[in-house]
Amino acid sequence: ETGVTQTPRHLVMGMTNKKSLKCEQHLGHNAMYWYKQSAKKPLELMFVYSLEERVENNSVPSRFSPECPNSSHLFLHLHTLQPEDSALYLCASSQDGLYGEKLFFGSGTQLSVL
Amino acid sequence: EDQVTQSPEALRLQEGESSSLNCSYTVSGLRGLFWYRQDPGKGPEFLFTLYSAGEEKEKERLKATLTKKESFLHITAPKPEDSATYLCAVQAGAAGANNLFFGTGTRLTVIP
Repeated sequence: ETGVTQTPRHLVMGMTNKKSLKCEQHLGHNAMYWYKQSAKKPLELMFVYSLEERVENNSVPSRFSPECPNSSHLFLHLHTLQPEDSALYLCASSQDGLYGEKLFFGSGTQLSVL
Repeated sequence: EDQVTQSPEALRLQEGESSSLNCSYTVSGLRGLFWYRQDPGKGPEFLFTLYSAGEEKEKERLKATLTKKESFLHITAPKPEDSATYLCAVQAGAAGANNLFFGTGTRLTVIP
């Protein structure tokens, strides 16, 4: 497999459920990202893991919890979500997490919270 | 406040009808400007990076240009397969992914 792979592609969950999104990159990159994409809104950075350092957007609610066990795998753990969390969640990777780098995105997980 | 604005929000072109998409930005200390293409049901795909005013990049029917306040993505003689949403992103200030700001995109439809 090549590129950035995300699973599942689609997820429907209730507000009391706990689920996890998975991302795997096969590019040998050192930085991985979670972005949220909502209709008619800019991509919103949620979390970055870069060279063992984690950067997070302070506006992301604690019901989203990232995990990065190694440079190739990234998870987003979800619990007690709200309907407004319904969106496309995109994983991306880049060489080192520095400026001027292009991002490689996965196809995303389309999340619906009922 | 750093901001990236794309226009128009949507654009319909006849096949072969050339046009331009606009990305204007108000950021401090531009590090780079990126263009991405996003097809329905997929993640964005990188097209170009521009670093300084006057720089131009080309790929097939696409040409990206950069000034001190905006970037244009020129599409020459588009084909239906060019239909997609085109996203602009600006890296500003200090290094790092938390200084990358995306626009809301232009949805391009090319009619055969």
